[in-house]
Amino acid sequence: GAVVSQHPSRVICKSGTSVKIECRSLDFQATTMFWYRQFPKQSLMLMATSNEGSKATYEQGVEKDKFLINHASLTLSTLTVTSAHPEDSSFYICSARDKTGQGEKLFFGSGTQLSVL
Amino acid sequence: GNSVTQMEGPVTLSEEAFLTINCTYTATGYPSLFWYVQYPGEGLQLLLKATKADDKGSNKGFEATYRKETTSFHLEKGSVQVSDSAVYFCALSDTGNTPLVFGKGTRLSVIA
Repeated sequence: GAVVSQHPSRVICKSGTSVKIECRSLDFQATTMFWYRQFPKQSLMLMATSNEGSKATYEQGVEKDKFLINHASLTLSTLTVTSAHPEDSSFYICSARDKTGQGEKLFFGSGTQLSVL
Repeated sequence: GNSVTQMEGPVTLSEEAFLTINCTYTATGYPSLFWYVQYPGEGLQLLLKATKADDKGSNKGFEATYRKETTSFHLEKGSVQVSDSAVYFCALSDTGNTPLVFGKGTRLSVIA
């Protein structure tokens, strides 16, 4: 079946550093990828929609300068948390929509647990 | 806008008990409905889905029926196991290029 690979699965970094998270669709082309953040005991929150070859669309309240999204190819989207702070510690998940658009094909990465010290 | 309301947890059951996790939705169109599961330490996994009214999704002994008249997609399992302990998310997706809308998640703990 279709697979979305997300790396790293876990990262610990110092406050002020930047962290890049990659989301790859391994066997299909994804014109659209979504980035979610999961807060403890809460549901996933959509951060942004990433479209291949164009700028990402950010949800209200999400700082675009802090959470840089690049969808440079049909199989790769990256989320960079710039100048990370402890409050950015969270679980980040990407999902990718199959380009064919047949039926409902949405695949999730395994998530990245970010801990900022 | 679209929304998903999921029963509050946590839910604690004994092994072999019957499970129901309620989920209702609000949507303008005819969405697809999903249940996702997150096992401890892992990311989300699709558990089952239904794409139109009266469809029943099923997987690993879990099932849910898309009820348009009651706008519901309740998750059920006849006999839970300890290994079913996880957080379950109900979600919907409108047709087109839209992301999922998730419920808040329900934590299930199954004790032996």
